[in-house]
Amino acid sequence: DAGVTQSPTHLIKTRGQQVTLRCSPKSGHDTVSWYQQALGQGPQFIFQYYEEEERQRGNFPDRFSGHQFPNYSSELNVNALLLGDSALYLCASSLRQSYSNQPQHFGDGTRLSIL
Amino acid sequence: KQEVTQIPAALSVPEGENLVLNCSFTDSAIYNLQWFRQDPGKGLTSLLLIQSSQREQTSGRLNASLDKSSGRSTLYIAASQPGDSATYLCAVPPIKAAGNKLTFGGGTRVLVKP
Repeated sequence: DAGVTQSPTHLIKTRGQQVTLRCSPKSGHDTVSWYQQALGQGPQFIFQYYEEEERQRGNFPDRFSGHQFPNYSSELNVNALLLGDSALYLCASSLRQSYSNQPQHFGDGTRLSIL
Repeated sequence: KQEVTQIPAALSVPEGENLVLNCSFTDSAIYNLQWFRQDPGKGLTSLLLIQSSQREQTSGRLNASLDKSSGRSTLYIAASQPGDSATYLCAVPPIKAAGNKLTFGGGTRVLVKP
């Protein structure tokens, strides 16, 4: 049973560029959430997708956008990259109907470095 | 706004000693509280989930307690081993927000010395 998979594992970009990160949820899960984790800090919620729509959003600018596909996989897009966007980007999946009593499953993340 | 705090930020213990990790949250209207482990450069591994109606949850050497009224949870790890060295994070999904957005603490970085 494959867990949450993210690609790529590492990425190096320069300021002003655009980046797309990808996530495949755990089998049977229908909800995908994205988190940003700066070095030495806890993850911060970016947004959550369910039924191909953004359902919740954290305190992140519009430069951060996403998409969910019919197979429940998801993409995170970041435009006009800033140095402060350097972080580990984590994807988490869950089953919406049982989110209150089941843990979210996280991938290993994508390490994004901005030069 | 929910705020989650973990103190201490770092902890170093000799092998065999019991570990006590603390987590506090400001809004007691939560569905559950989750503890995660994170190895360097890796994702999060779920350790324990305590429902809001529960006081305690156990898995092997791990035991987590929850006191909603005081906004606190404690993770106990018995007889620590060098392999327990990692960062431990607690997180809560607030009832007031739809869905299961998690608010995380900053984590406690644990080092177990052989």
